[in-house]
Amino acid sequence: KAGVTQTPRYLIKTRGQQVTLSCSPISGHRSVSWYQQTPGQGLQFLFEYFSETQRNKGNFPGRFSGRQFSNSRSEMNVSTLELGDSALYLCASSFGGPLSYNSPLHFGNGTRLTVT
Amino acid sequence: QQQVKQSPQSLIVQKGGISIINCAYENTAFDYFPWYQQFPGKGPALLIAIRPDVSEKKEGRFTISFNKSAKQFSLHIMDSQPGDSATYFCAASSAGGTSYGKLTFGQGTILTVHP
Repeated sequence: KAGVTQTPRYLIKTRGQQVTLSCSPISGHRSVSWYQQTPGQGLQFLFEYFSETQRNKGNFPGRFSGRQFSNSRSEMNVSTLELGDSALYLCASSFGGPLSYNSPLHFGNGTRLTVT
Repeated sequence: QQQVKQSPQSLIVQKGGISIINCAYENTAFDYFPWYQQFPGKGPALLIAIRPDVSEKKEGRFTISFNKSAKQFSLHIMDSQPGDSATYFCAASSAGGTSYGKLTFGQGTILTVHP
């Protein structure tokens, strides 16, 4: 069974630009979550989508947005990039119920975004 | 109240030794406590998890324990191997409707196992 797939693996962008990251969840998983990982702030929750609807959102500015397609694939967009947006962006998937022992979160290998 | 505090930040152990990582939380609504292992260039991988109605769980060399009254949980790695060298994260989540997809992570522990 294929794991969570994220593309691209690496991105270099300039301040002010926008970027779109893609994620394909594990087959059968309908929930997709996005996380930002930085050395200073650690792993922080961005948002979660299920059946094309955002169900949960973390404390990030509106420049960070996402969407989910009918096949459960998801994209994340960051507009007006800032230097501080440089991070590893992780996508994770689960079946869709509350996270639990029987419905854990599985992560992809992330997209490394560098903003110059 | 949403924080999960993890210690130590880094840990150096000799091959064959025991590695111990501790986590503490405040939010009593947390009811799911997974541990993740992350190697450089990879995403976090689920290592082991425990339910709050269980005080201890063992999987091979990895044991997690949970103390609900103290709001603490820990990971023990027995017979630590160089291949265990990675960053370990504890995490917590609640079953509430506002917590879909959201794990609250500790800050991580960088484990180095010397041969």
